Amino acid sequence: GIQVEQSPPDLILQEGANSTLRCNFSDSVNNLQWFHQNPWGQLINLFYIPSGTKQNGRLSATTVATERYSLLYISSSQTTDSGVYFCAGQGGSEKLVFGKGTKLTVNP
Amino acid sequence: EAGVTQFPSHSVIEKGQTVTLRCDPISGHDNLYWYRRVMGKEIKFLLHFVKESKQDESGMPNNRFLAERTGGTYSTLKVQPAELEDSGVYFCASSQWARRTSTDTQYFGPGTRLTVL
Repeated sequence: GIQVEQSPPDLILQEGANSTLRCNFSDSVNNLQWFHQNPWGQLINLFYIPSGTKQNGRLSATTVATERYSLLYISSSQTTDSGVYFCAGQGGSEKLVFGKGTKLTVNP
Repeated sequence: EAGVTQFPSHSVIEKGQTVTLRCDPISGHDNLYWYRRVMGKEIKFLLHFVKESKQDESGMPNNRFLAERTGGTYSTLKVQPAELEDSGVYFCASSQWARRTSTDTQYFGPGTRLTVL
């Protein structure tokens, strides 16, 4: 099955800074999703992005399927952006394979 | 439209006891998935239902875990008997459809935090 690697594992920012989170996958994927796990443990869907670029407010994501990576951009970060960001891909089956996550801390 | 719901939100049980987790998918979603995150590790797939049928149960760790989806609506995941290593967060997800060559967004529930003492 596919393997998903995320970097960096930890990221500390000051409020207002921009950041880029990366997700590499070992094989082609039919689906790629980005999630934010909030402090209460809930997984919040950010993007369904098997290819191309999408934007939602201060967040945007780009997936380059041919090169097997996806990027999540956070601009003008806020303390409420803190938490763990996961990417997950689907290869030949329906199941999502998750990376280990990037823990983001935004300080005031 | 209501999202995926899970019950209970927390469960604390002793080793050897039985626990049943419930998941109600988004109405109209044929696909239902169970995942879990045990301490310090990544979120891992357990199984996938299409309506009431088990499509893929390759992630089920052992025969102490039993999942059902009666009538293709809600699903239950029973752990019997529970062991210490079963502690973690159990997530349920649903998606509307998944064709052979395409997939759809999986929407996750809030999870059930299971603690086995």
